[in-house]
Amino acid sequence: QPVLTQPPSSSASPGESARLTCTLPSDINVGGYNIYWYQRKPGSPPRYLLYYYSDSDKGQGSGVPSRFSGSKDASANTGILLISGVQSDDEADYYCMIWPSNAGVFGGGTKLTVL
Amino acid sequence: QVQLVESGGGVVQPGRSLRLSCAASGFTFRSYGMHWVRQAPGKGLEWVASISYHGSDNFYADSVKGRFTISRDNSKNTLYLQMNSLRAEDTAVYYCASGIAVAGLGPNDAFAIWGQGTMVTVSS
Repeated sequence: QPVLTQPPSSSASPGESARLTCTLPSDINVGGYNIYWYQRKPGSPPRYLLYYYSDSDKGQGSGVPSRFSGSKDASANTGILLISGVQSDDEADYYCMIWPSNAGVFGGGTKLTVL
Repeated sequence: QVQLVESGGGVVQPGRSLRLSCAASGFTFRSYGMHWVRQAPGKGLEWVASISYHGSDNFYADSVKGRFTISRDNSKNTLYLQMNSLRAEDTAVYYCASGIAVAGLGPNDAFAIWGQGTMVTVSS
């Protein structure tokens, strides 16, 4: 199965933006996939945040604030989760996911620390 | 209130079997694809299996293919995961999740609603 690469950790101060990346292997073109993002806090099940395919094809999870948004960097074959105006409550693990060949694949996750 | 409640986890010896259940309420269960996702201690999320809204199509991770079976009973609003030939590496919290797409076929769906999870420990 393909491996989605996420940096193990990232940090941001309150009010700043956090840019979390999810890099696809070179044989999978990010342009052809929905990128799904999930948030996982200790003691709670994961929470669906959003999916991003393109600016005209994207969706926000129920109750997810608009300061969470998705995008892609085709040149880097990467999906991006942008958290604007980071809050202390955003401290969590964030996972990306795609569905290549009818099989779900998660990235390893990024732990976001709010300084 | 939309809810998924898993049950059936526990401690089991390697090679034995276990069946997990996931009871759904608060939404039209029969209209959505359903999924199992697990998280081993200290590890990340791993997709395990998916089933279409009608139950005719199933999809599995390579790590469980041939050992696990996903099924559903739409008359009982319940999802199942039959786990056979369990291994130590199957030790994890198992979550059931519902898809977001009406008439979801399994893949290419978001895991919109999650249960609280049930712990499975495979150990002698």
